[in-house]
Amino acid sequence: GEDVEQSLFLSVREGDSSVINCTYTDSSSTYLYWYKQEPGAGLQLLTYIFSNMDMKQDQRLTVLLNKKDKHLSLRIADTQTGDSAIYFCAESPTTSGTYKYIFGTGTRLKVLA
Amino acid sequence: EPEVTQTPSHQVTQMGQEVILRCVPISNHLYFYWYRQILGQKVEFLVSFYNNEISEKSEIFDDQFSVERPDGSNFTLKIRSTKLEDSAMYFCASKDRGAYEQYFGPGTRLTVT
Repeated sequence: GEDVEQSLFLSVREGDSSVINCTYTDSSSTYLYWYKQEPGAGLQLLTYIFSNMDMKQDQRLTVLLNKKDKHLSLRIADTQTGDSAIYFCAESPTTSGTYKYIFGTGTRLKVLA
Repeated sequence: EPEVTQTPSHQVTQMGQEVILRCVPISNHLYFYWYRQILGQKVEFLVSFYNNEISEKSEIFDDQFSVERPDGSNFTLKIRSTKLEDSAMYFCASKDRGAYEQYFGPGTRLTVT
């Protein structure tokens, strides 16, 4: 079945690194995504990783993919108060043919000053 | 930078009334989606639309729901007879052919009283 799981909460101090974890079930997903949702706002695409990659770095963001364990993580270096938001991982199973997303439960990141 | 827009930002309606949520996808995109997020819950796929027809729908998307692309720019979601449990944030998304990432609108918050 299709399911994506994340831990619900993460609290870090400003300047520390944050690591948000995600597990997914559908190994057919070609791409996996991270979206950010600020309070009252929509979903902002942060980054994505192709399934044949192990790692992708984009400025302060590092995505790690362990395809064997179906585990995805997002590391935010030097976390700032502006990073406080809900972070969703999503997979897009190619078996669906429509590229729909299956979202995780979302991780609420709180950055303490 | 092109973006997906949605109107209205907030819609309040009485149970049993019909509502139409509107979206303007990014102009050269060909794949369109609706998702919903009940307060505090994960973002759920409702329906995908391509080549002027529904390509996939979820169990949530029952006979009370319909989608339409009435002209070259708008993409609408209609709920015929709203129920209290339809209260949620509804997100529209679009995707270009050959791309994998979807771009989301800011959402319409639907409140059914």
